[in-house]
Amino acid sequence: EPEVTQTPSHQVTQMGQEVILRCVPISNHLYFYWYRQILGQKVEFLVSFYNNEISEKSEIFDDQFSVERPDGSNFTLKIRSTKLEDSAMYFCASSGTENTEAFFGQGTRLTVV
Amino acid sequence: KNQVEQSPQSLIILEGKNCTLQCNYTVSPFSNLRWYKQDTGRGPVSLTIMTFSENTKSNGRYTATLDADTKQSSLHITASQLSDSASYICVVGNTGGFKTIFGAGTRLFVKA
Repeated sequence: EPEVTQTPSHQVTQMGQEVILRCVPISNHLYFYWYRQILGQKVEFLVSFYNNEISEKSEIFDDQFSVERPDGSNFTLKIRSTKLEDSAMYFCASSGTENTEAFFGQGTRLTVV
Repeated sequence: KNQVEQSPQSLIILEGKNCTLQCNYTVSPFSNLRWYKQDTGRGPVSLTIMTFSENTKSNGRYTATLDADTKQSSLHITASQLSDSASYICVVGNTGGFKTIFGAGTRLFVKA
């Protein structure tokens, strides 16, 4: 069964460093998403990506964040100058269309120390 | 303000019993409503997705309803199993469904 894969599963980084979280969406999907879940809190939408550009982003997704689809398979989230409050689980998801089922990866747990 | 409210916050039921989880939303414009199951430390798994014109959708023992007029949805779980223990999250999409607003979830505990 096709699945969304995320790497690494856990990343520890020092405050102020840059991190890149990687995702391989399901191969024939066209819509890609990043979400964040701070421990004990609800999932929050960060950004959606379609046709090689951002289609929507939330207030959380400020200049510290960027997304890229560097090739035909990977979808990355870059977080610059990480802060302690960036510590969270980051989920990538993909869907065939905007109104069909979105499949989530297992997440990357980011810990900023 | 776009919000999704879920109730109850948590629920304990005995194996084999049915339960119903509630979701109220104030998201506008509305595009779709999804229910997800999330096990602790794992990514959410889609259960159902409904657009404006649909008022019920089933997936095995899960049945979701949608009343777009009152902006309410429910998720009914039939004949619960121990493996149903998880968080159930209501998610509402707007502006074409890209920007999604998540509820805080209902934590369901199924006991033997």
